[in-house]
Formats: sequence, C-alpha cells, structure tokens
Amino acid sequence: EVQLVESGGGLGQPGGSLRLSCAASGFTFRSYWMQWVRQDPGKGLVWVSRIGSDEKTTMYADSVRGRFTISRDNARNTLYLQMNSLRVEDTAVYYCGRDEGGAGGTIDYWGQGILVTVSS
Amino acid sequence: DIVMTQSPLSLPVTLGEPASISCRASQSLLHSNGHNLLDWYLQRPGQSPQLLIYLGSNRASGVPDRFSGSVSGTDFTLKISRVEAEDVGVYYCMQALQVPFTFGPGTKVDIK
Repeated sequence: EVQLVESGGGLGQPGGSLRLSCAASGFTFRSYWMQWVRQDPGKGLVWVSRIGSDEKTTMYADSVRGRFTISRDNARNTLYLQMNSLRVEDTAVYYCGRDEGGAGGTIDYWGQGILVTVSS
Repeated sequence: DIVMTQSPLSLPVTLGEPASISCRASQSLLHSNGHNLLDWYLQRPGQSPQLLIYLGSNRASGVPDRFSGSVSGTDFTLKISRVEAEDVGVYYCMQALQVPFTFGPGTKVDIK
C-alpha cells in the first residue's frame, strides 16, 4: 500500500525557516517524481514544487522560488521541502504527492497533509 | 500560467440524481502524446485530495464507474451518474500539462 506521511510542520516565524519531510513507503520511491501542493486554510489547492526521480530536476512556483528548496533522499525514501525566509502568506496545509508517472503532473497519491503556520 | 475556471462553484445535489461540473482551461491541454492532461480530484471534508480522473477521461484505480470525464477542446466535464452520500466534498480540476500546474477554484458539492 502506498503511503506518504508528512512531518516537520508547526509554527514558524516570519523570516524564519522550517523543513518538511515526507516519508514514502509501499512503492519504489526512486522511480517516481514527487511534488508539494499547499492549501491555505479554507481555500483551494496551489502547486508549490516538483522534483525528478534523479534528484536533480526541480521546479518551483514563482511565489516560493528562491526561498523554498525541494530535495529527496532516495536511499531514505524521503522527500523534503526546506522553507526559508518564511512569510505569513506561506501559512497553509502542505501535501506531498506522488507523480502518477505519465507525461504530466498528475498526482495519484497524496499525504495526509501538515499544517505550517507563519506568525510572530 | 494556464488559468483554470470551474462552474458552478456550489452544487447542491439530490441523492440518486446525476450531477455535472464544468472546467475550462485558458489554453489547450493537449500533449504531444495526443492526450489532454487534465485531472479531477475530490477532497472530502477533513481529508486530503484524491485522484478521480486523469487524462481528461480515465478513471483512477478504485474510482466507481458512476464517475466519468469528458473533453471538448478546452472544456472539460465531470459527471456523476447517480450521486451517493460519499460524493460530498470539493471537486477540483487541475491542468497537468505545464508547470506551474494550476487548479480550478473548486466546486463544493453537498446534499440538498
């Protein structure tokens, strides 16, 4: 069974940092691209970042580029999102997701989500 | 960026009756492989999103066959043939063609 479990959320200060982790199991992690999507409380879904299976190819939304870094450790079956220079507007539930493996960015499995609150 | 719109934004439904949600993309989602890269997701209350439909009309594994997706140019439709209580939630379309992937605003489906 595919499982994605996020951790590392909580309260962060404006200008501060947090690192999210997503532990993957039930599939061959190193073979799949992975993504992060966030959801402002009570609002819609917003795509954040994507990383290739090779650990090298990365993509970012304009709103986080230069502040967030996506990475992965294929030996540990874990996806990361390093969040620096946090802003109040980064407050959201963050989901990790597995790319379905086709031509595009379809997410076929989602984690349960982790809340990040940025406030002083 | 590709802009995704949905209608209606709220859809009260009657159990056992059909329901339909529309999604429109600001540009073609046709990939060079001949498929439209459009997904439908359902987010039930208090849960994470789940994939219902990919490539515009392919049901994801385990999704009941009362759900169907169709494509006409840049217009996409999700249909539920007979609504059940477990179908309540917010439905999102998402273009999976190009980064940044973008979602529609969501359609909230609840029972009348």
